[in-house]
Amino acid sequence: EVRLVESGGGLVQPGGSLRLSCAASGFTFSSYTMSWVRQAPGKGLEWVSAISGGGDNTYYADSVKGRFTISRDDSKNTLYLQMNSLRAEDTAVYYCAKGFEAHNPIIYFDYWGQGTLVTVSS
Amino acid sequence: DIQLTQSPSFLSASVGDRVTITCRASQGISSYLAWYQQKPGKAPKLLIYAASTLQSGVPSRFSGSGSGTEFTLTISSLQPEDFATYYCQQLNSYPITFGQGTRLEIK
Repeated sequence: EVRLVESGGGLVQPGGSLRLSCAASGFTFSSYTMSWVRQAPGKGLEWVSAISGGGDNTYYADSVKGRFTISRDDSKNTLYLQMNSLRAEDTAVYYCAKGFEAHNPIIYFDYWGQGTLVTVSS
Repeated sequence: DIQLTQSPSFLSASVGDRVTITCRASQGISSYLAWYQQKPGKAPKLLIYAASTLQSGVPSRFSGSGSGTEFTLTISSLQPEDFATYYCQQLNSYPITFGQGTRLEIK
């Protein structure tokens, strides 16, 4: 059974940093592109970042480029999102999502975690 | 960036109704489009991928069509569990983008 479990969310002041983690199980983690998607309270879905299987390629939304860094540790089956210089507009539930097909750098998301809430406020 | 515009943004319908949601892309995306369903407090669920392929386990009352710039999601006979918010998503190129969502409510 595929499972994705996010952690690391919480309350942080503007300008602060936070690292999110997504622990994966039930599939060959290293073979799949993984993404982060966020949803601000009462708003729609916004793709944030993706990393290819093996970590060779990373992709970012313009809204987070230069502030967020996606990474993965395939030995630990874990995806990360390092978030720096946080702003109020980064407040959202952050989901990790698994690519539908192995070895495909851009692909639909067939499994999602339950999400972790990040609140940026003073 | 490729923009996706869904219509309508809000839809009120009754159990048993047939409903259609449209997603228009700002440029051609071939068939690289997915539809997701999201219920309050839950993660999105993949319904349709490659514009018209039903994800495993999704009821056959859901169907998708289209290619290029215009796509539709149709629910042939609404069931109580279908009342949710629906999003389209393009995966033709990065950055991946979503439509703004269509909220489907019970009339």
